[in-house]
Amino acid sequence: EAGVTQSPTHLIKTRGQQATLRCSPISGHTSVYWYQQALGLGLQFLLWYDEGEERNRGNFPPRFSGRQFPNYSSELNVNALELEDSALYLCASSLLQGKDGYTFGSGTRLTVV
Amino acid sequence: DQQVKQNSPSLSVQEGRISILNCDYTNSMFDYFLWYKKYPAEGPTFLISISSIKDKNEDGRFTVFLNKSAKHLSLHIVPSQPGDSAVYFCAASAIYGQNFVFGPGTRLSVLP
Repeated sequence: EAGVTQSPTHLIKTRGQQATLRCSPISGHTSVYWYQQALGLGLQFLLWYDEGEERNRGNFPPRFSGRQFPNYSSELNVNALELEDSALYLCASSLLQGKDGYTFGSGTRLTVV
Repeated sequence: DQQVKQNSPSLSVQEGRISILNCDYTNSMFDYFLWYKKYPAEGPTFLISISSIKDKNEDGRFTVFLNKSAKHLSLHIVPSQPGDSAVYFCAASAIYGQNFVFGPGTRLSVLP
């Protein structure tokens, strides 16, 4: 069974540009979560999608947005990139109310220069 | 305001000894807790969970203890092995299985 896949693995953007990160969940999982791990910090919750709807978002500005497609894959968009957006972005999937928590992908390393 | 805290950024333990990783939380609504392990360049992987109706859960070398009154949980690894060297994250949820809040992580180094 394929795990959670994220693309690209690395992304370098210039300040002010837009970045698009993609995530494919485990087959059968309907919930997709996005987390940011900045250097030296823990995993900061960004967004949660389930059945195509945004269910919750963390304490991030509106330039962080995303969507979930009918096949449950998801996209995270970061507009007007700032240097401090440089981080590892992790996507995870689960069944709704999955008791074993989330299955994470390997992440996308975004570098803003 | 950090709702889940792991006050030790790093821990070094000798191979074969016990590793104890600690986690404190502030939100009394949290009732489901997980531990994840993360190797460099990989996503976190689920290790063990515990719900608030229990005070202990064991899985092989890994045991998680929960003290609800103290809002504290700990992960014990016995015996520690060099392959256990990784960053360990504690996570908590107020709604079963949803919206986990993660701590900052503790880097465990198991020395041969």
